[in-house]
Amino acid sequence: DTGVSQDPRHKITKRGQNVTFRCDPISEHNRLYWYRQTLGQGPEFLTYFQNEAQLEKSRLLSDRFSAERPKGSFSTLEIQRTEQGDSAMYLCASSVAGRYTDTQYFGPGTRLTVL
Amino acid sequence: TQLLEQSPQFLSIQEGENLTVYCNSSSVFSSLQWYRQEPGEGPVLLVTVVTGGEVKKLKRLTFQFGDARKDSSLHITAAQPGDTGLYLCAGVMIKAAGNKLTFGGGTRVLVKP
Repeated sequence: DTGVSQDPRHKITKRGQNVTFRCDPISEHNRLYWYRQTLGQGPEFLTYFQNEAQLEKSRLLSDRFSAERPKGSFSTLEIQRTEQGDSAMYLCASSVAGRYTDTQYFGPGTRLTVL
Repeated sequence: TQLLEQSPQFLSIQEGENLTVYCNSSSVFSSLQWYRQEPGEGPVLLVTVVTGGEVKKLKRLTFQFGDARKDSSLHITAAQPGDTGLYLCAGVMIKAAGNKLTFGGGTRVLVKP
């Protein structure tokens, strides 16, 4: 299976610690997205990359959050000084850029719990 | 207020019954996608609709995109317990940067045997 993979699947951390998540997109997909989903809600857009360039960041992405895609392949999302409100499922998706729409394929997510 | 409103939020039916989930907005979307999500997993794509008025069928699932591309529906015929899950609609707004998705709040469907 060459779908989107995310690591780790689950992360429990204490408030104030830093955490880093990794996403490996489908091979040759040039776009990579990060979304956040809280319990009982639909996912919300955080940021996206086209190749290695980060082209948009949501207002949800405070300065404690940083995302990278250094070689245009895998991506990392780091949260510094975690807060309890950061507890959520962090989803990664990848796609091939289209003119009007991208079909985005999602990974299994990383469930973050901040104690 | 969400840009995409899904209704109902929760639906519980018996096996063999039909159900319809609605996804509505006052905004126009260039495309709309439906996903199903299991607990603890990422959303799995069911279908993408692009053209206003488009109807797509996937076995017992029928998806429709409104003529004005502001709304969509998902209809399941003769639901089975395996259809249980969270159904999410997600749209790409006109001129959205990078074709990012705007999601509805989801409809949780429970099909009881």
